[in-house]
Amino acid sequence: DTGVSQDPRHKITKRGQNVTFRCDPISEHNRLYWYRQTLGQGPEFLTYFQNEAQLEKSRLLSDRFSAERPKGSFSTLEIQRTEQGDSAMYLCASSDLGSLGNQPQHFGDGTRLSIL
Amino acid sequence: DAKTTQPPSMDCAEGRAANLPCNHSTISGNEYVYWYRQIHSQGPQYIIHGLKNNETNEMASLIITEDRKSSTLILPHATLRDTAVYYCIVRVDLTGNQFYFGTGTSLTVIP
Repeated sequence: DTGVSQDPRHKITKRGQNVTFRCDPISEHNRLYWYRQTLGQGPEFLTYFQNEAQLEKSRLLSDRFSAERPKGSFSTLEIQRTEQGDSAMYLCASSDLGSLGNQPQHFGDGTRLSIL
Repeated sequence: DAKTTQPPSMDCAEGRAANLPCNHSTISGNEYVYWYRQIHSQGPQYIIHGLKNNETNEMASLIITEDRKSSTLILPHATLRDTAVYYCIVRVDLTGNQFYFGTGTSLTVIP
């Protein structure tokens, strides 16, 4: 399978704990994105990397959230001191740069986070 | 604020063509229209995208009006597996990196 891979698929944790999710993008894709999706809503943009540089962050990404892509390949999204409102599906996507900048984003199946 | 408007839900008989409309009246000249679908518990699946010409691939056809203010995704022969939420997206930011998904159209294919 050469698609976007996310781990774990499900995470249940107690409020106040830290959690970390991993995303492995499609090989050779230099752009990587994180989105959050709550029940009944479409995905919402969180942040974006081009290679190892984090170029955009949504205002949804509070200071408890941090994302890294240290070698320009896989990425991690960490949430510190989790809160009930952090319960959601966290989606990762990747895309090729392309000459026109219009390449589609390809999504993984997400990590579903449940805060007890 | 939303860049696209879609009906919240639609039904389609199995084997018939499903035509999903999208209004993007504020689209600018260099913005592409993308369509994705999402089946429960899975990530969004890319279907097709286009700028101003009609596009077709193995999954669907995309018809964009001449003024580019609306488009229609056509699934030529809908199957039960096409039941999903369909999102029409126009990139909202100048750098073209954010996708605004909205709430999409929930398509139900009826046997």
